Amino acid sequence: AQSVTQLDSHVSVSEGTPVLLRCNYSSSYSPSLFWYVQHPNKGLQLLLKYTSAATLVKGINGFEAEFKKSETSFHLTKPSAHMSDAAEYFCDKNQAGTALIFGKGTTLSVSS
Amino acid sequence: DVKVTQSSRYLVKRTGEKVFLECVQDMDHENMFWYRQDPGLGLRLIYFSYDVKMKEKGDIPEGYSVSREKKERFSLILESASTNQTSMYLCASSSDRAVRYGYTFGSGTRLTVV
Repeated sequence: AQSVTQLDSHVSVSEGTPVLLRCNYSSSYSPSLFWYVQHPNKGLQLLLKYTSAATLVKGINGFEAEFKKSETSFHLTKPSAHMSDAAEYFCDKNQAGTALIFGKGTTLSVSS
Repeated sequence: DVKVTQSSRYLVKRTGEKVFLECVQDMDHENMFWYRQDPGLGLRLIYFSYDVKMKEKGDIPEGYSVSREKKERFSLILESASTNQTSMYLCASSSDRAVRYGYTFGSGTRLTVV
């Protein structure tokens, strides 16, 4: 079965330090991949998406992700964390003919 | 601004009640989806629909049904609510069947069954 694995359930960083949220996927074809963010008591907001164009994708709020087919990875990065980045992040991919498959989420905590 | 609107933000229902969760989108999307979100489990697909009067089971359809009488509206029905259906329910829509461009989500309905 196709799947998405978020390698860390919780990541803690200090404000101003880099953020790395890791995501691996299984696929037999070129997928579309996404990262969503969910702030407390809010819906999910699209951060960025990869749809087989450039492998380095830039999103909102300074986030980036790099599609690495050889590693089946789509890790999310940000050079400098801000307090407002504290949220839950979901990596997901499309499954042909059906729907998005979601990872279980990574909670990002940012300390001052 | 395009929208997916879920009619209730919070709901409290009793065990055994029939519960309707409503979702409306104004983007003329053909594809609509219902997920539930639980801590540590991420988002799990309940049902989805590609067209009016069409529905497909997701990963966890037991205890749920859906209705899509109009393109813009997709309703999730809990036939007889149980406490293990206490959860956050998220509705989403997409513009293409392959979901190449992602979803637009509603803000969610937090359902508590007592």
